Amino acid sequence: DVQFMESGGGLVQPGGSLRLSCGGSGFTFDSHWMSWVRQAAGKGLEWVATIANDGSEKYYVDSVKGRFTISRDNGKRSLYLQMNSLRVEDTAVYYCSSSNVGWGQGTLVTVSS
Amino acid sequence: QAGLTQPPSVSTDLGQTATLTCIGNNNNVGHQGAVWLQQVQGHPPKLVFFRDNNRPSGISERLSASRSGNTASLTIAGLQAEDEGDYYCSAWDTNLSGWVFGGGTKLTVL
Repeated sequence: DVQFMESGGGLVQPGGSLRLSCGGSGFTFDSHWMSWVRQAAGKGLEWVATIANDGSEKYYVDSVKGRFTISRDNGKRSLYLQMNSLRVEDTAVYYCSSSNVGWGQGTLVTVSS
Repeated sequence: QAGLTQPPSVSTDLGQTATLTCIGNNNNVGHQGAVWLQQVQGHPPKLVFFRDNNRPSGISERLSASRSGNTASLTIAGLQAEDEGDYYCSAWDTNLSGWVFGGGTKLTVL
């Protein structure tokens, strides 16, 4: 079965940092582009970042450019999101996903003083 | 960044057929096709179709998807209570170099 397992969420103060991780199994990890998508409480889905299957291309939503970095380690079948200079408006559940494979369960990031 | 257009809500009787629409443009739905996601209250999104009409394993055959130009559609036949939830469409936008999402359609089974 296809599985994604996110970790690394938590409570952080504004201006702080967090690193999210996502492990993928049940599919050919290194063949698929991967993304992070977030969802604030009671809101819709918002794309955050995407990385090519070999890591050669990376794309970000304007609101996180310069603050977030997406990366992957295909040998470890893992996807990462380094989040710096966090803002209150970054508070959301963060999901890792692959557009033609599936989505994870999500990890909650709360930015609050 | 600009999103896709979905009706906020659709209500249909139990056992009937519901069709949800998603309107994009030539840079997203019309170019790359659409992805459909189902989200039941309190649960993460679940992929139900990718590249317009490719159904992942385990997704009911009561669900079907199609696209005409810049409009994608998701049809659910023989509606059951378990089909209630929010349905999102998404597509890669070649102009924005990013994924765009619709605002979601809340499907209510009467």
